[in-house]
Amino acid sequence: DIQMTQSPSTLSASVGDRVTITCRASQSISSWLAWYQQKPGKAPKLLMYKASSLESGVPSRFSGSGSGTEFTLTISSLQPDDFATYYCQHYNSYPWTFGQGTKVEI
Amino acid sequence: DVRLLESGGGLVQPGGSLRLSCAASGFTFNRHAMGWVRQAPGKGLEWVSVIGAYDGSTYYADAVKGRFTISRDNSNNMLYLQMYSLRAEDAAVYYCAKDGVWGATIFGYFDYWGQGTVVTVSS
Repeated sequence: DIQMTQSPSTLSASVGDRVTITCRASQSISSWLAWYQQKPGKAPKLLMYKASSLESGVPSRFSGSGSGTEFTLTISSLQPDDFATYYCQHYNSYPWTFGQGTKVEI
Repeated sequence: DVRLLESGGGLVQPGGSLRLSCAASGFTFNRHAMGWVRQAPGKGLEWVSVIGAYDGSTYYADAVKGRFTISRDNSNNMLYLQMYSLRAEDAAVYYCAKDGVWGATIFGYFDYWGQGTVVTVSS
């Protein structure tokens, strides 16, 4: 199975900061990676797919990059609505797996 | 608008069974793969299973293989997860989710999620 490892697990930041979250795969997944945002008590929300494609309706301050085994999600200027937990998920092969999550907090 | 409404969660004893349902609306159901993702209390997301749009192909996480069965009724826009031999570690919020690509049997990312249904496994 492909393991997904996110870093950091928790990130303290302020409004306006540039934030980068890293997701590493235990083997190459090409660009078959999605990013989700989840707020407490809510369902996850898709942000990015195919590593760098922005989902419709997601603000352009979110961007994704990477291929192979290393990926990043960047928020160019953190907004109050962005404080949440972020997950990566690969869909290169079965079983699909998620990273353990990165909590972005104040 | 896309809507996914899960139901069927509840309290079940270890070793028991439960069937989750997901009523879908607002999109062409039989042209999208569908899946289940769960989240144990205070934990991260865990992919459970996925079913193809119209070819019946199914895939499962190792943790549930042989105990859970995913199915769909394209005539009624319904997704199901039949769970057998439930264990304490199956306790979680179970989310129904829609594959993001129209027409492909299974693509891999989920663009819409339901609000979840809670499964508690306890004696």
